[in-house]
Amino acid sequence: VELEQSGGDVKKPGASVKVSCKASGFTFPSYAISWVRQAPGQGLEWMGWISGNSGNTEYAQNFQGRVTMTTDTSTDTAYLELRSLRSDDTAVYYCARGPDPYSSSSYFDYWGQGTLVTVSS
Amino acid sequence: DIVMTQSPDSLAVSLGERASINCKSSQSLLYTSNNKNYLAWYQQKPGQPPKLLIYWASTRQSGVPDRFRGSGSGTDFTLTISSLQAEDVAVYYCQQYYTSPPITFGQGTRLEIK
Repeated sequence: VELEQSGGDVKKPGASVKVSCKASGFTFPSYAISWVRQAPGQGLEWMGWISGNSGNTEYAQNFQGRVTMTTDTSTDTAYLELRSLRSDDTAVYYCARGPDPYSSSSYFDYWGQGTLVTVSS
Repeated sequence: DIVMTQSPDSLAVSLGERASINCKSSQSLLYTSNNKNYLAWYQQKPGQPPKLLIYWASTRQSGVPDRFRGSGSGTDFTLTISSLQAEDVAVYYCQQYYTSPPITFGQGTRLEIK
């Protein structure tokens, strides 16, 4: 099982970023992907969830209106897009696999390596 | 939202000694219909993603050494490392998945060698 994330990025305030997470070693539609971020020196913050089966999504209230999660089942890749970036969005963004494709209520058994997104003018 | 509070924030333990980390949730994580506690524990080493140690409060993930044990029910949970090894130095997080959205994590406990 592997979740391979795209490389780090530097963005200006107000811009958008799109992070990818390519899955391998498992049947993508049988699982879900959550996105979790970690600001420098801080704890873990869950952003939302997407089903690998249906593409259904659930987002944390903090990110509603600014985030979109999608999947491409032809390449077993999940994407996170975050818009209207602010300096406090600077963080490492992780994708993580959840074992239930029908519920966001899940633990995470495999994680990507993380993608550092830096927001700076 | 369910608030997860860990204690202590940091902990220093001698090699070979026991380390215990506590996690308290603002509401019960026990689903009475299946008698499962919706709580997980993770270990995060510097520069690495979190690693799942324990789920359903006490089920050890495959490959995790048996010196790691999860216990507790309802609102109070404990991660115990029975005999601390040097490679156990890390930050440990608890996570509830009883209610989503949102999933919530504890603030983390930093474990060091005394």
